[in-house]
Amino acid sequence: DTAVSQTPKYLVTQMGNDKSIKCEQNLGHDTMYWYKQDSKKFLKIMFSYNNKELIINETVPNRFSPKSPDKAHLNLHINSLELGDSAVYFCASSQELWNTEAFFGQGTRLTVV
Amino acid sequence: GEDVEQSLFLSVREGDSSVINCTYTDSSSTYLYWYKQEPGAGLQLLTYIFSNMDMKQDQRLTVLLNKKDKHLSLRIADTQTGDSAIYFCAENPGYNKLIFGAGTRLAVHP
Repeated sequence: DTAVSQTPKYLVTQMGNDKSIKCEQNLGHDTMYWYKQDSKKFLKIMFSYNNKELIINETVPNRFSPKSPDKAHLNLHINSLELGDSAVYFCASSQELWNTEAFFGQGTRLTVV
Repeated sequence: GEDVEQSLFLSVREGDSSVINCTYTDSSSTYLYWYKQEPGAGLQLLTYIFSNMDMKQDQRLTVLLNKKDKHLSLRIADTQTGDSAIYFCAENPGYNKLIFGAGTRLAVHP
């Protein structure tokens, strides 16, 4: 059983398109996150949600909109994709506080052409 | 400010010990973490240390924390080829997020 699963694993799309990445966790955690890993492997948080409520939005462009239909899901919608959006996007979950283990999904490699 | 720094590369011979170093900036971080990322894979939590500890050992892994200098290290004993990966140091300054370093790419050669 995969604890944190993301789909799709790979996504290639043209500039200007709108795309979504889905994330689900079956751990019963209250908090979910989206991280972006750039080509230099640098990881930076984008969003965190706790019980479906947005907690952190780290100066991410408005083209990125997370949606949490329930606390087991946190989807990422990206509008008007740009070349600079190409990266690996990781979903993660943890108990309410970060002071416990965080589980990461396998990542979604987004390539914008 | 929030900043975690690591050296980018480390090359060791199989069977030797590896030591990966990290410095962090936020003294309020309660926990400090080491994550491992294998090629094409997600992040796997290796170990973490509570800020009131100065050492934690878990099989081949030893974490040392110098809170005064805000320095964290990960020692891998008897390094194997399967240990080749990128190792990320991370701190949590509260606020429900982790701050990651840039990652240290460990290469293990025969």
